[in-house]
Amino acid sequence: AAGVIQSPRHLIKEKRETATLKCYPIPRHDTVYWYQQGPGQDPQFLISFYEKMQSDKGSIPDRFSAQQFSDYHSELNMSSLELGDSALYFCASSLAGPGEQYFGPGTRLTVT
Amino acid sequence: EDKVVQSPLSLVVHEGDTVTLNCSYEVTNFRSLLWYKQEKKAPTFLFMLTSSGIEKKSGRLSSILDKKELSSILNITATQTGDSAIYLCAFHSGGSNYKLTFGKGTLLTVNP
Repeated sequence: AAGVIQSPRHLIKEKRETATLKCYPIPRHDTVYWYQQGPGQDPQFLISFYEKMQSDKGSIPDRFSAQQFSDYHSELNMSSLELGDSALYFCASSLAGPGEQYFGPGTRLTVT
Repeated sequence: EDKVVQSPLSLVVHEGDTVTLNCSYEVTNFRSLLWYKQEKKAPTFLFMLTSSGIEKKSGRLSSILDKKELSSILNITATQTGDSAIYLCAFHSGGSNYKLTFGKGTLLTVNP
């Protein structure tokens, strides 16, 4: 069965640079979530979208923005990167709003 | 503040043992509780529980929710080395909230 696809899988950036992470949900899933997981930490919710509209917002820095497109894929844009942004970024998707969330493989972002 | 507490934090067993992982929650509103298995990659969905007292089962894994005690347990019978992972418990509060709030996880190590 098709799963959530994230790209890139690994990304290395320098401080103050920008990064764009992409997420392609499971086919037919209309809800996308972004989570940040630091080393040894549990996933922290950043933001979610349902039917291309922002549905919930968590601890997402103002330097980050995200959107969901007409094909339901989502992009997380990160600007003015800081060392503390180094983490695993997971995208998850679900069908018809909150429910069983299925996670993608993650993008490991390293800021140097 | 809503919180999820998992216990134990870490557990080491031998193959063939049965383990019980605990998750308790203190939340303002409750819609569902989810269990995930995380190896060195994305959390893998195991169960979603919404009703108290109804056991969900998948192979050697099973889980049940107790809304009166505000807790859930995840049982793994006849453990195998491949069960070694971090097991995450998360809750969803429902309403206009889409996010999952995770516990810190239980690190399970199954030795041969």
